[in-house]
Amino acid sequence: GQQVMQIPQYQHVQEGEDFTTYCNSSTTLSNIQWYKQRPGGHPVFLIQLVKSGEVKKQKRLTFQFGEAKKNSSLHITATQTTDVGTYFCAGIPTDSWGKLQFGAGTQVVVTP
Amino acid sequence: DAGVTQSPTHLIKTRGQHVTLRCSPISGHKSVSWYQQVLGQGPQFIFQYYEKEERGRGNFPDRFSARQFPNYSSELNVNALLLGDSALYLCASSPEWGSDTQYFGPGTRLTVL
Repeated sequence: GQQVMQIPQYQHVQEGEDFTTYCNSSTTLSNIQWYKQRPGGHPVFLIQLVKSGEVKKQKRLTFQFGEAKKNSSLHITATQTTDVGTYFCAGIPTDSWGKLQFGAGTQVVVTP
Repeated sequence: DAGVTQSPTHLIKTRGQHVTLRCSPISGHKSVSWYQQVLGQGPQFIFQYYEKEERGRGNFPDRFSARQFPNYSSELNVNALLLGDSALYLCASSPEWGSDTQYFGPGTRLTVL
C-alpha cells in the first residue's frame, strides 16, 4: 500500500476561495515533489522541496515541507477554474533512493 | 524540444496475453521510470532504469519486466495479463538517477478484457 497519504481525497471549492491539501508520510523523505494532473492528462511537475521547513511560492500556490520532512502542504489562494485537476504529492523515502512514492491525490473541483 | 513520448496510446488485450509498451525519454535524459496508475489512484512505481541498468523496482510480480536500450529508450513488458493490469502506464524521464524531477509522458491506456 501507499506510504504517502493525502487528505482530503476530494475538494469542492467555490471560485475565489482558498483551500489546503495535506500530504503525510510514514517515513522521512529526502524530498517532496508536487504534481498536477488534469482530467485525461498525465502528471505535470509543479515543484520540489528539499530542505526541512522549506516554503516555496508559485503565484497563488504555496508549498511547505515539514520540519521533520514527513509532511507537506499545498495552499491555493483565490481558486480559479484553471486550478481544476488532481494534485499529487510524491516523495522519496531516505531508505528507498530513487523510488518515488505518490499519494492518492486530492481531486479539486471548482464551482464558478 | 520533444517531451517524453510513449507508444501505443491505447491498447486492448485479453487475459493471458503479453504486451510491450515503449517509451522515448527527453533528449539528454538518462533515467527512465515506469509507473502504473489505476483509475482514481496515484501512480505506483514499477521500475527505474539508469544507464541501461535496473536501479529500482516496486512491488510488482515477475510478470512485469523492463529494459533500457543504449539510446536510453525503454520497454515495459507484461506477461500473462490479468484483468487487474488494466491501467494507465506512465513513463517518466529525468536527467540523472535519484531524486530528480520526473517528466511524464502521455501514458499508454491498457485495457485487459
